[in-house]
Amino acid sequence: GQNIDQPTEMTATEGAIVQINCTYQTSGFNGLFWYQQHAGEAPTFLSYNVLDGLEEKGRFSSFLSRSKGYSYLLLKELQMKDSASYLCAAMDSNYQLIWGAGTKLIIKP
Amino acid sequence: SQTIHQWPATLVQPVGSPLSLECTVEGTSNPNLYWYRQAAGRGLQLLFYSVGIGQISSEVPQNLSASRPQDRQFILSSKKLLLSDSGFYLCAWSPTENEKLFFGSGTQLSVL
Repeated sequence: GQNIDQPTEMTATEGAIVQINCTYQTSGFNGLFWYQQHAGEAPTFLSYNVLDGLEEKGRFSSFLSRSKGYSYLLLKELQMKDSASYLCAAMDSNYQLIWGAGTKLIIKP
Repeated sequence: SQTIHQWPATLVQPVGSPLSLECTVEGTSNPNLYWYRQAAGRGLQLLFYSVGIGQISSEVPQNLSASRPQDRQFILSSKKLLLSDSGFYLCAWSPTENEKLFFGSGTQLSVL
């Protein structure tokens, strides 16, 4: 079956760095998405990886290893506004998105 | 620029009542349209998607239905709501099937 795993909750300190991991199993693969979702709001797109390696976008970076079925989202210089849920989603061979349950990130001062 | 509108933001409905949630997209043509439901602590569940007017694919059998009467309009309906229909409903669009999704602001539905 198709599956996405990511930690339920993580806590980090303002100004620090945090890495949110995601492992996936899909029938075929057409890329890995990360979305940010603040409580009660809609998810917003953060990154997309389809090739192995690291994609950097400001304070946020995303990494993909297709051979390991693994991705991570790296957040640097954490700010209080980064407190949110982070959703990992893998696209299968039929272009269907398989979603993880999300990782709730709590930032402490 | 493209925008997506979804309403209402919150809805409280009694069990057995009908439902109609509407979503419209502006600034693009022939978008792929999606309805998702998000339950607390769970991943997004795809309910319906549409690649064109009148073309609806259902992912989960249930008492919900969807319609696309116009190119940029997507409607989620039910004739009789169940308690289990409570959740956060999200409409989304993408230019093509393999591109990122843009989400509407969501509807928090409580069925009592």
